[in-house]
Amino acid sequence: DGGITQSPKYLFRKEGQNVTLSCEQNLNHDAMYWYRQDPGQGLRLIYYSQIVNDFQKGDIAEGYSVSREKKESFPLTVTSAQKNPTAFYLCASSSHGYTFGSGTRLTVV
Amino acid sequence: GESVGLHLPTLSVQEGDNSIINCAYSNSASDYFIWYKQESGKGPQFIIDIRSNMDKRQGQRVTVLLNKTVKHLSLQIAATQPGDSAVYFCAESIPRYNNDMRFGAGTRLTVKP
Repeated sequence: DGGITQSPKYLFRKEGQNVTLSCEQNLNHDAMYWYRQDPGQGLRLIYYSQIVNDFQKGDIAEGYSVSREKKESFPLTVTSAQKNPTAFYLCASSSHGYTFGSGTRLTVV
Repeated sequence: GESVGLHLPTLSVQEGDNSIINCAYSNSASDYFIWYKQESGKGPQFIIDIRSNMDKRQGQRVTVLLNKTVKHLSLQIAATQPGDSAVYFCAESIPRYNNDMRFGAGTRLTVKP
């Protein structure tokens, strides 16, 4: 079955540590997105990529980085510069409307 | 029951009643809209979509209404069931932003047995 796979489902980060969230899709979609979701709030766009080897900052890119070396993969790194990283992170891909992954819940310990 | 997304982020209805969830979108150039359902700890799931050249579209137990004059979108759920309890988001696609979608804050629907 085609879809988007995010891993891990739960992730814990120590202060000052970089962590990488994985997002893989087998839908052959060109566009991929990373969103952050905080309790009681909507989705905020972190980064997006319309095509391989190209990506653009979204509304809240500070403290995050991405790469798009393959069409299927769009990993997100949460760097130590992100001071409040605890949130639910959603990856999506798009050709006509979005398909979302199941999310990664990141917690700072 | 009815709710207006950002002003009343929660909606509680009795099982079997009809639910109406409202959304005010931001951009008059938006040409495509989607309603998503998000259960706790999961990613959003597509429910129904509508293009701007339509006023109404029906699915299984769900209907989306679009009023372009006032930039308003609504989702109607017939005979609401406990499994419908979730957060519902509307999203608009804006052509000049590469058709990237913008999401509303969401409305939490709770169905009481």
